Amino acid sequence: AQSVTQLDSQVPVFEEAPVELRCNYSSSVSVYLFWYVQYPNQGLQLLLKYLSGSTLVESINGFEAEFNKSQTSFHLRKPSVHISDTAEYFCAGWNSGNTPLVFGKGTRLSVIA
Amino acid sequence: GAVVSQHPSRVICKSGTSVKIECRSLDFQATTMFWYRQFPKKSLMLMATSNEGSKATYEQGVEKDKFLINHASLTLSTLTVTSAHPEDSSFYICSAKTGTNSGNTIYFGEGSWLTVV
Repeated sequence: AQSVTQLDSQVPVFEEAPVELRCNYSSSVSVYLFWYVQYPNQGLQLLLKYLSGSTLVESINGFEAEFNKSQTSFHLRKPSVHISDTAEYFCAGWNSGNTPLVFGKGTRLSVIA
Repeated sequence: GAVVSQHPSRVICKSGTSVKIECRSLDFQATTMFWYRQFPKKSLMLMATSNEGSKATYEQGVEKDKFLINHASLTLSTLTVTSAHPEDSSFYICSAKTGTNSGNTIYFGEGSWLTVV
């Protein structure tokens, strides 16, 4: 069965420090991978996605993720975080067709001033 | 990007009553929509897959008679929580898929907070 694993449930980090949120997927999951962000009391927002092509994808707010097929990973990174980045981050994988997303359990990013 | 609208964003209902949540794709047609439920401080749990013009496919453990899903058009799916109880209080989120297989992306509604009192 396909699965997506987020290794860290919580990641505290000081403001302006770099951060990496880890995500690994099972090999049965196709190469469609997503990161979603959920700010407190809000719904999910698409942060970035990998469908094909360049393995490095970027979001408009400074996050990036790299698809690594050999390591079956899609880690999310940001070189310098802000207080406003405090949120829950979900990695998700998708097989294809009309199948639903498979979610990781989420990583709570807490940025400390 | 594509927009998925969910309504209401927050609803409080009395125990034993029913409540309907709507999920609309505003600028694209969605033959398939998905309904998720999120418990506090936990990840999303897929409840059911909603297919336009046919019956929804429910995940194991989800009561189809309690969580009624209707996908009457290519832009609207509804989730009705029937005879709601306090344990049904949760955050419900819908999602819809755009485009063809090679360029698909899944977008989410804003979510609906249901509180049953």
